[in-house]
Amino acid sequence: DAGITQSPRHKVTETGTPVTLRCHQTENHRYMYWYRQDPGHGLRLIHYSYGVKDTDKGEVSDGYSVSRSKTEDFLLTLESATSSQTSVYFCAISESRGHSYEQYFGPGTRLTVT
Amino acid sequence: LAKTTQPISMDSYEGQEVNITCSHNNIATNDYITWYQQFPSQGPRFIIQGYKTKVTNEVASLFIPADRKSSTLSLPRVSLSDTAVYYCLVVPSGNTGKLIFGQGTTLQVKP
Repeated sequence: DAGITQSPRHKVTETGTPVTLRCHQTENHRYMYWYRQDPGHGLRLIHYSYGVKDTDKGEVSDGYSVSRSKTEDFLLTLESATSSQTSVYFCAISESRGHSYEQYFGPGTRLTVT
Repeated sequence: LAKTTQPISMDSYEGQEVNITCSHNNIATNDYITWYQQFPSQGPRFIIQGYKTKVTNEVASLFIPADRKSSTLSLPRVSLSDTAVYYCLVVPSGNTGKLIFGQGTTLQVKP
């Protein structure tokens, strides 16, 4: 399995508090992604990174910010958590190799905003 | 990005071959077709990818007709452990990895 860890794995927080989720990889892959998964919506891309300090928005970026200061770490921040951000968050990594579009996913973080 | 359509759910029995078809009528010339599998409480896992005709690996086969407007994921002799959600994705060549996951097909394998 690809070396991807996410922390924390579970978190309960209150509305209005800031939350930061961490994704750490040991594969030295260039691309990193944050997705959220909700019942009935499949996975939706929040933000992604194509290099250190290079990030871009995905489908559902409102209310989220990201940072990547090192190749191995990609942080997702909810500046002021809302109940609508209760979800399971997955980090993924990939490396551009010709026409290979394989992404490796982490174990997920279950976030509950009360 | 080309939109994909696949059945919401399917049932099968152990030992049977399962075929999941995905429709992607608006696929572009440079798009690739990719399938992922997701078990409960886990992240998705890449299964197979193809551009045309047939691709086979140790897990599945992928059949793509000449017009490429659909594709079929074939799982030989499924077992209970193949119960999962299967996602069909269309990925543009040169894509930076922005995958668009639909609802997927929930496959339930029964004993």
